[in-house]
Amino acid sequence: GAVVSQHPSWVICKSGTSVKIECRSLDFQATTMFWYRQFPKQSLMLMATSNEGSKATYEQGVEKDKFLINHASLTLSTLTVTSAHPEDSSFYICSARDKGARALSSGNTIYFGEGSWLTVV
Amino acid sequence: AQKVTQAQTEISVVEKEDVTLDCVYETRDTTYYLFWYKQPPSGELVFLIRRNSFDEQNEISGRYSWNFQKSTSSFNFTITASQVVDSAVYFCALSEARGSGSRLTFGEGTQLTVNP
Repeated sequence: GAVVSQHPSWVICKSGTSVKIECRSLDFQATTMFWYRQFPKQSLMLMATSNEGSKATYEQGVEKDKFLINHASLTLSTLTVTSAHPEDSSFYICSARDKGARALSSGNTIYFGEGSWLTVV
Repeated sequence: AQKVTQAQTEISVVEKEDVTLDCVYETRDTTYYLFWYKQPPSGELVFLIRRNSFDEQNEISGRYSWNFQKSTSSFNFTITASQVVDSAVYFCALSEARGSGSRLTFGEGTQLTVNP
């Protein structure tokens, strides 16, 4: 099946610094990718939709200047947490849809990366 | 607006028991997809099933089965003869079919603990 790779898996950064997380679709092209955030013992919340070649669409309450998203190619989207603070510590996970997958099947068409654990100290 | 409710926050069972995880959803769309994912402590999301809203057939895959009841907007998940390895957080999710059809709304998750 299709594979989405996320890097890094774990990152610890100092408060005030920026950290970049990459999301790659390894064997398919993804014009749209999604970024989710999950705080401990909570659900996954959609942060933004990353669109190849255009600006990302942010969900209500998500600061676009703090969470910079770049989708410069059909296989790569990056999320940069700028001026990170301890409250940004969370699990960040991306997803992408394989448009080549048969939409009528009951199989998987949305692929998630492994996720990235961010700790800001 | 879409919403997914998993009323059971935590469930604890003894190995070999059957367990059902409930999922109730709300959507104004007539066409949509429902999903179940398993999330072990490592964090990755393991895909279990995707169901189209037009397909109300129940599904069985090994020890897993799903009951889709459109009339009650429910998509419940049953694990038969549970095993310790089934311990994880399970998420039910909903996506609209229009547009990219990939924007997921997740439920709050159910922490399942299977004790030996």
